[in-house]
Amino acid sequence: QQQVKQSPQSLIVQKGGISIINCAYENTAFDYFPWYQQFPGKGPALLIAIRPDVSEKKEGRFTISFNKSAKQFSLHIMDSQPGDSATYFCADHPQGGSEKLVFGKGTKLTVNP
Amino acid sequence: DAGVIQSPRHEVTEMGQEVTLRCKPISGHDYLFWYRQTMMRGLELLIYFNNNVPIDDSGMPEDRFSAKMPNASFSTLKIQPSEPRDSAVYFCASSFLRDTQYFGPGTRLTVL
Repeated sequence: QQQVKQSPQSLIVQKGGISIINCAYENTAFDYFPWYQQFPGKGPALLIAIRPDVSEKKEGRFTISFNKSAKQFSLHIMDSQPGDSATYFCADHPQGGSEKLVFGKGTKLTVNP
Repeated sequence: DAGVIQSPRHEVTEMGQEVTLRCKPISGHDYLFWYRQTMMRGLELLIYFNNNVPIDDSGMPEDRFSAKMPNASFSTLKIQPSEPRDSAVYFCASSFLRDTQYFGPGTRLTVL
């Protein structure tokens, strides 16, 4: 079954530090890689997404880097803040053109003040 | 827009009982997704609809689970009979075309 392998499972960072979360995918017919952010007791919400025609996308303190040859993409959170403490999920479409999303297992980020 | 609405937010039931979870997608969205989230298995897609028609139910764990979407503004996920291993948070999400999926707040189900 299609998988998206996400690491690390948990991450603790000091305020002001850089948080890095990695995902490896299998699908070769991709067109869209979203990252979702989930706070306790809430549903996941789209944080940032990238399409494979670019290698990097930045929105504020959040950056996605995409490595097509390695089939990997990563989320970087610069100047991490306690309010960034949440669980982060990467996702991929299992088949090109499919509406389904397969999510990684998630990374629980804790940013200490 | 109020976003995706789910009810109830919490459900506690006893093994063997029927459970019905409800979802109202965002108006104008043509895709609706049901997910289950557990610590062990993460976020799993159970079934999704397009224009009220079920497209892929391969994630439905077994025949005890069923989902319907009688119209564009309402969907249900039913578990009958429920078992303790069904305890999880169930999310409904909707999207327009293949754009961003918007998740509801979830229903936390506990089966005793």
